[in-house]
Amino acid sequence: AQTVTQSQPEMSVQEAETVTLSCTYDTSESDYYLFWYKQPPSRQMILVIRQEAYKQQNATENRFSVNFQKAAKSFSLKISDSQLGDAAMYFCAYRSAYNNNNDMRFGAGTRLTVKP
Amino acid sequence: SAVISQKPSRDICQRGTSLTIQCQVDSQVTMMFWYRQQPGQSLTLIATANQGSEATYESGFVIDKFPISRPNLTFSTLTVSNMSPEDSSIYLCSVNGGQLSTDTQYFGPGTRLTVL
Repeated sequence: AQTVTQSQPEMSVQEAETVTLSCTYDTSESDYYLFWYKQPPSRQMILVIRQEAYKQQNATENRFSVNFQKAAKSFSLKISDSQLGDAAMYFCAYRSAYNNNNDMRFGAGTRLTVKP
Repeated sequence: SAVISQKPSRDICQRGTSLTIQCQVDSQVTMMFWYRQQPGQSLTLIATANQGSEATYESGFVIDKFPISRPNLTFSTLTVSNMSPEDSSIYLCSVNGGQLSTDTQYFGPGTRLTVL
């Protein structure tokens, strides 16, 4: 079974600085999708960024970018120019491209604090 | 993306009672998913609800405890039956954003349940 590991329970960053959140995963599949979700204290889960495993180019969404290392099974999230509104729980998630059902696996989460 | 609403947003219930949570989507979706997020934890999939068929439950979750209805392509309910304090969690509804099962999942705002 696929597993997702986030080894950083908590991280903090100074406003306007850059922070990187780590995520590793374990799978025997060659095609899959990876996601980063943000969950603010209001608890609404918001998609931050997604990556298709067959794409070599790292996904980017404004201040958010990923470093996808398929061979190392690593999928880190970089937040540039951090803002106070970035403070939230961040979850890394894996989804199989082969399963017609759900099969989305979440990491334990990283709580990000942004200091003014 | 899909706009998802849930009712109630929160509730405090007595042990032994049942609560039905509603999930409404602004567009027709094939698959809807119910997750549980225990305090300070990550998300765990309870079941997948397809319209016109029985819900598919994950290991550790049973229909008698978490009956699900899916009467049409925009609506689903999850009932938490015979509640105990261990059922205190946030319950999240989720849908696929597109026709393909491998598309991104979007989440409702969640229902915070406290069982006394």
